[in-house]
Amino acid sequence: QQPVQSPQAVILREGEDAVINCSSSKALYSVHWYRQKHGEAPIFLMILLKGGEQKGHDKISASFNEKKQQSSLYLTASQLSYSGTYFCGTEYVRNQGGKLIFGQGTELSVKP
Amino acid sequence: EPEVTQTPSHQVTQMGQEVILRCVPISNHLYFYWYRQILGQKVEFLVSFYNNEISEKSEIFDDQFSVERPDGSNFTLKIRSTKLEDSAMYFCASSEFEQVKGDYGYTFGSGTRLTVV
Repeated sequence: QQPVQSPQAVILREGEDAVINCSSSKALYSVHWYRQKHGEAPIFLMILLKGGEQKGHDKISASFNEKKQQSSLYLTASQLSYSGTYFCGTEYVRNQGGKLIFGQGTELSVKP
Repeated sequence: EPEVTQTPSHQVTQMGQEVILRCVPISNHLYFYWYRQILGQKVEFLVSFYNNEISEKSEIFDDQFSVERPDGSNFTLKIRSTKLEDSAMYFCASSEFEQVKGDYGYTFGSGTRLTVV
Protein backbone atom coordinates (compact mmCIF):
# COMPACT_ATOMS: atom_id res chain seq x y z
CA GLN A 1 0.00 0.00 0.00
CA GLN A 2 3.04 2.23 0.17
CA PRO A 3 2.92 5.02 -2.46
CA VAL A 4 5.72 4.96 -4.98
CA GLN A 5 7.75 8.08 -5.62
CA SER A 6 9.75 8.87 -8.72
CA PRO A 7 12.44 9.70 -9.38
CA GLN A 8 14.44 8.35 -6.43
CA ALA A 9 16.99 11.13 -6.76
CA VAL A 10 17.51 14.23 -8.84
CA ILE A 11 20.36 16.69 -9.15
CA LEU A 12 19.63 20.21 -10.36
CA ARG A 13 21.49 23.41 -10.97
CA GLU A 14 20.13 26.48 -9.22
CA GLY A 15 17.27 27.91 -11.26
CA GLU A 16 16.24 24.62 -12.88
CA ASP A 17 12.86 22.97 -12.46
CA ALA A 18 11.94 19.54 -11.12
CA VAL A 19 8.86 17.35 -10.83
CA ILE A 20 8.44 14.63 -8.22
CA ASN A 21 5.64 12.12 -8.61
CA CYS A 22 3.79 10.08 -6.02
CA SER A 23 1.63 7.19 -7.27
CA SER A 24 -0.72 4.88 -5.47
CA SER A 25 -2.29 1.59 -6.48
CA LYS A 26 -5.27 2.43 -4.30
CA ALA A 27 -7.72 5.35 -4.35
CA LEU A 28 -6.48 8.28 -2.30
CA TYR A 29 -8.33 10.64 0.01
CA SER A 30 -5.47 13.07 0.39
CA VAL A 31 -1.79 13.56 -0.29
CA HIS A 32 0.62 15.42 1.96
CA TRP A 33 4.06 16.64 0.89
CA TYR A 34 6.98 17.04 3.30
CA ARG A 35 10.61 18.05 2.94
CA GLN A 36 13.29 16.67 5.24
CA LYS A 37 16.81 17.99 5.48
CA HIS A 38 19.52 15.65 6.67
CA GLY A 39 19.24 14.99 10.41
CA GLU A 40 16.13 17.13 10.82
CA ALA A 41 12.38 16.58 11.16
CA PRO A 42 10.15 16.47 8.08
CA ILE A 43 8.54 19.84 7.43
CA PHE A 44 4.99 20.06 6.12
CA LEU A 45 4.74 21.71 2.69
CA MET A 46 1.12 21.24 1.65
CA ILE A 47 -1.86 18.93 1.54
CA LEU A 48 -4.13 18.18 -1.39
CA LEU A 49 -7.58 16.99 -0.48
CA LYS A 50 -9.42 16.17 -3.64
CA GLY A 51 -8.90 15.27 -7.21
CA GLY A 52 -7.81 18.03 -9.50
CA GLU A 53 -6.79 20.30 -6.66
CA GLN A 54 -3.68 22.36 -7.12
CA LYS A 55 -1.88 24.27 -4.45
CA GLY A 56 1.26 26.24 -4.18
CA HIS A 57 3.27 28.77 -2.35
CA ASP A 58 6.39 30.52 -3.45
CA LYS A 59 7.76 28.46 -6.33
CA ILE A 60 6.62 25.07 -5.02
CA SER A 61 3.25 23.76 -6.13
CA ALA A 62 1.47 20.43 -6.36
CA SER A 63 -1.41 18.79 -8.14
CA PHE A 64 -3.56 15.79 -7.36
CA ASN A 65 -4.99 13.67 -10.15
CA GLU A 66 -7.65 11.55 -8.49
CA LYS A 67 -8.25 9.45 -11.59
CA LYS A 68 -4.62 8.50 -11.94
CA GLN A 69 -4.24 8.18 -8.16
CA GLN A 70 -1.21 10.35 -8.43
CA SER A 71 0.15 13.59 -7.09
CA SER A 72 3.00 15.65 -8.48
CA LEU A 73 5.16 18.22 -6.73
CA TYR A 74 6.59 20.99 -8.92
CA LEU A 75 9.66 22.95 -7.93
CA THR A 76 10.38 25.83 -10.26
CA ALA A 77 13.47 28.02 -10.42
CA SER A 78 15.03 25.87 -7.70
CA GLN A 79 17.08 27.43 -4.93
CA LEU A 80 19.87 25.90 -2.88
CA SER A 81 17.48 25.78 0.09
CA TYR A 82 15.25 23.33 -1.78
CA SER A 83 17.80 20.55 -1.28
CA GLY A 84 16.56 17.70 0.86
CA THR A 85 14.47 14.56 0.71
CA TYR A 86 10.86 15.00 -0.34
CA PHE A 87 8.25 12.58 0.95
CA CYS A 88 4.65 12.20 -0.03
CA GLY A 89 2.31 10.90 2.64
CA THR A 90 -1.02 9.41 1.68
CA GLU A 91 -4.36 8.92 3.36
CA TYR A 92 -6.71 6.35 1.87
CA VAL A 93 -9.66 7.31 4.03
CA ARG A 94 -10.23 10.35 6.20
CA ASN A 95 -10.12 8.59 9.48
CA GLN A 96 -9.87 10.63 12.64
CA GLY A 97 -6.37 10.08 13.89
CA GLY A 98 -5.57 7.89 10.96
CA LYS A 99 -2.10 7.30 9.69
CA LEU A 100 -0.13 8.68 6.82
CA ILE A 101 1.71 6.18 4.68
CA PHE A 102 4.90 7.73 3.35
CA GLY A 103 6.64 7.02 0.09
CA GLN A 104 10.28 6.06 0.05
CA GLY A 105 11.40 9.64 -0.61
CA THR A 106 13.04 11.56 -3.43
CA GLU A 107 16.43 13.06 -2.73
CA LEU A 108 16.82 16.47 -4.38
CA SER A 109 20.21 18.15 -4.60
CA VAL A 110 20.45 21.69 -5.90
CA LYS A 111 23.95 22.76 -6.90
CA PRO A 112 25.15 26.34 -7.46
CA GLU B 1 5.72 29.35 15.45
CA PRO B 2 4.44 26.59 17.78
CA GLU B 3 6.56 23.46 17.80
CA VAL B 4 6.59 19.86 18.95
CA THR B 5 9.34 19.22 21.50
CA GLN B 6 11.03 15.84 21.94
CA THR B 7 13.42 14.66 24.61
CA PRO B 8 16.02 13.32 24.74
CA SER B 9 17.58 14.10 21.37
CA HIS B 10 19.83 11.04 21.65
CA GLN B 11 19.48 7.90 23.72
CA VAL B 12 21.82 4.93 23.86
CA THR B 13 20.51 1.86 25.62
CA GLN B 14 21.48 -1.75 26.11
CA MET B 15 19.46 -4.47 24.45
CA GLY B 16 16.65 -5.62 26.72
CA GLN B 17 16.39 -2.32 28.59
CA GLU B 18 13.27 -0.19 28.72
CA VAL B 19 13.27 3.29 27.21
CA ILE B 20 10.77 6.12 27.38
CA LEU B 21 10.74 8.74 24.67
CA ARG B 22 9.01 11.99 25.52
CA CYS B 23 7.12 14.50 23.44
CA VAL B 24 5.23 17.71 24.10
CA PRO B 25 2.79 18.23 21.20
CA ILE B 26 1.36 21.59 20.17
CA SER B 27 -1.16 22.57 22.82
CA ASN B 28 -4.29 22.97 20.69
CA HIS B 29 -3.66 19.89 18.56
CA LEU B 30 -5.92 16.91 18.99
CA TYR B 31 -4.08 14.09 17.25
CA PHE B 32 -0.74 12.67 18.20
CA TYR B 33 1.50 10.24 16.40
CA TRP B 34 4.72 8.34 16.65
CA TYR B 35 6.71 7.53 13.55
CA ARG B 36 10.15 6.08 13.17
CA GLN B 37 12.81 6.31 10.53
CA ILE B 38 15.64 3.82 10.21
CA LEU B 39 18.73 5.56 8.87
CA GLY B 40 18.31 6.49 5.22
CA GLN B 41 14.90 4.89 4.89
CA LYS B 42 11.33 6.09 4.74
CA VAL B 43 9.28 7.38 7.63
CA GLU B 44 7.16 4.54 9.09
CA PHE B 45 3.94 4.90 11.03
CA LEU B 46 3.84 3.39 14.52
CA VAL B 47 0.72 4.64 16.29
CA SER B 48 -1.87 7.42 16.39
CA PHE B 49 -3.59 8.67 19.53
CA TYR B 50 -6.77 10.68 19.97
CA ASN B 51 -9.04 11.39 22.90
CA ASN B 52 -6.75 9.53 25.28
CA GLU B 53 -6.71 6.30 23.38
CA ILE B 54 -4.96 4.61 20.49
CA SER B 55 -6.90 5.16 17.27
CA GLU B 56 -4.65 3.14 14.97
CA LYS B 57 -1.41 1.19 15.18
CA SER B 58 0.89 -0.57 12.75
CA GLU B 59 2.24 -4.12 12.79
CA ILE B 60 5.51 -2.71 14.13
CA PHE B 61 3.69 -1.50 17.25
CA ASP B 62 3.60 -4.83 19.08
CA ASP B 63 3.28 -5.61 22.78
CA GLN B 64 6.74 -4.18 23.44
CA PHE B 65 5.44 -0.71 22.66
CA SER B 66 3.01 1.47 24.58
CA VAL B 67 1.95 5.11 24.52
CA GLU B 68 0.58 7.35 27.20
CA ARG B 69 -0.57 10.89 27.72
CA PRO B 70 -0.05 11.03 31.46
CA ASP B 71 -0.75 14.68 32.24
CA GLY B 72 -2.51 16.37 29.32
CA SER B 73 0.64 17.82 27.83
CA ASN B 74 3.27 15.08 27.54
CA PHE B 75 2.94 12.19 25.12
CA THR B 76 5.28 9.27 25.70
CA LEU B 77 6.39 6.19 23.80
CA LYS B 78 7.69 3.31 25.90
CA ILE B 79 9.64 0.38 24.51
CA ARG B 80 9.72 -2.31 27.17
CA SER B 81 12.57 -4.52 26.09
CA THR B 82 14.61 -2.94 23.34
CA LYS B 83 16.06 -4.94 20.46
CA LEU B 84 18.90 -4.04 18.12
CA GLU B 85 16.39 -3.48 15.31
CA ASP B 86 14.63 -0.78 17.35
CA SER B 87 17.56 1.52 16.60
CA ALA B 88 16.09 4.40 14.62
CA MET B 89 15.08 8.04 14.75
CA TYR B 90 11.70 8.31 16.48
CA PHE B 91 9.53 11.26 15.54
CA CYS B 92 6.54 12.52 17.43
CA ALA B 93 3.98 14.53 15.45
CA SER B 94 0.73 16.28 16.15
CA SER B 95 -2.07 17.70 14.03
CA GLU B 96 -5.39 19.45 14.19
CA PHE B 97 -8.43 18.00 12.53
CA GLU B 98 -10.15 20.24 10.04
CA GLN B 99 -13.38 19.04 8.58
CA VAL B 100 -13.46 21.93 6.19
CA LYS B 101 -10.80 22.32 3.58
CA GLY B 102 -7.66 23.46 5.26
CA ASP B 103 -4.05 22.72 5.92
CA TYR B 104 -4.00 20.14 8.66
CA GLY B 105 -0.54 18.81 8.04
CA TYR B 106 1.50 17.21 10.73
CA THR B 107 4.03 19.13 12.77
CA PHE B 108 6.93 16.83 13.54
CA GLY B 109 9.30 17.13 16.45
CA SER B 110 13.04 17.08 15.82
CA GLY B 111 13.25 13.42 16.83
CA THR B 112 15.00 11.15 19.30
CA ARG B 113 17.84 9.09 17.89
CA LEU B 114 17.66 5.75 19.68
CA THR B 115 20.68 3.46 19.51
CA VAL B 116 20.37 -0.03 20.97
CA VAL B 117 23.70 -1.73 21.66
